[in-house]
Amino acid sequence: DGGITQSPKYLFRKEGQNVTLSCEQNLNHDAMYWYRQDPGQGLRLIYYSQIVNDFQKGDIAEGYSVSREKKESFPLTVTSAQKNPTAFYLCASSSGSLSEQYFGPGTRLTVT
Amino acid sequence: QKEVEQNSGPLSVPEGAIASLNCTYSDRVSQSFFWYRQYSGKSPELIMSIYSNGDKEDGRFTAQLNKASQYVSLLIRDSQPSDSATYLCAVNQGYIPTFGRGTSLIVHP
Repeated sequence: DGGITQSPKYLFRKEGQNVTLSCEQNLNHDAMYWYRQDPGQGLRLIYYSQIVNDFQKGDIAEGYSVSREKKESFPLTVTSAQKNPTAFYLCASSSGSLSEQYFGPGTRLTVT
Repeated sequence: QKEVEQNSGPLSVPEGAIASLNCTYSDRVSQSFFWYRQYSGKSPELIMSIYSNGDKEDGRFTAQLNKASQYVSLLIRDSQPSDSATYLCAVNQGYIPTFGRGTSLIVHP
């Protein structure tokens, strides 16, 4: 089955620790995205990548970092510099410009 | 600043009725338009895409696009309680879609 996987589904961390969220896709999509969703809020773009070894900051990149070493993988690191990291994190991919996005199941991160 | 506006709702309709969800956008050069459904605690799933003016039907869903008025809508016929969810409108002019905040739909038996 083609799709996007994210792991883990739930993640708990202590304040001050960095944490990496996994995102893998086997749809052969070039573009991948990370969003953050807070309760009652829309989707906010953190980072996106149109091609391997290239990525761009989104609207709320501060406190986050990414890498895109393989087409299939786009991990997101939430660093200790991110002031309010508790949120629902969504990874998505698309086949190209103007195309629809397909979302992974999400990772719910709680930092205490 | 590109904007996509949706009424947050909730929109409440009885089972079997038509639910009408609306979305307006600010960027005139937008070229692709999408509706996603998001159940509580889950990720968004694509239900409709539309690229040209007019109507596009898929089962109980109809997407309508009017580029002159910068307006896109989603009609759900014969609404079911399982349609209760938040519906996100997304508008795309390149690689990065702009999402609305979503409209909450409640279908009551």
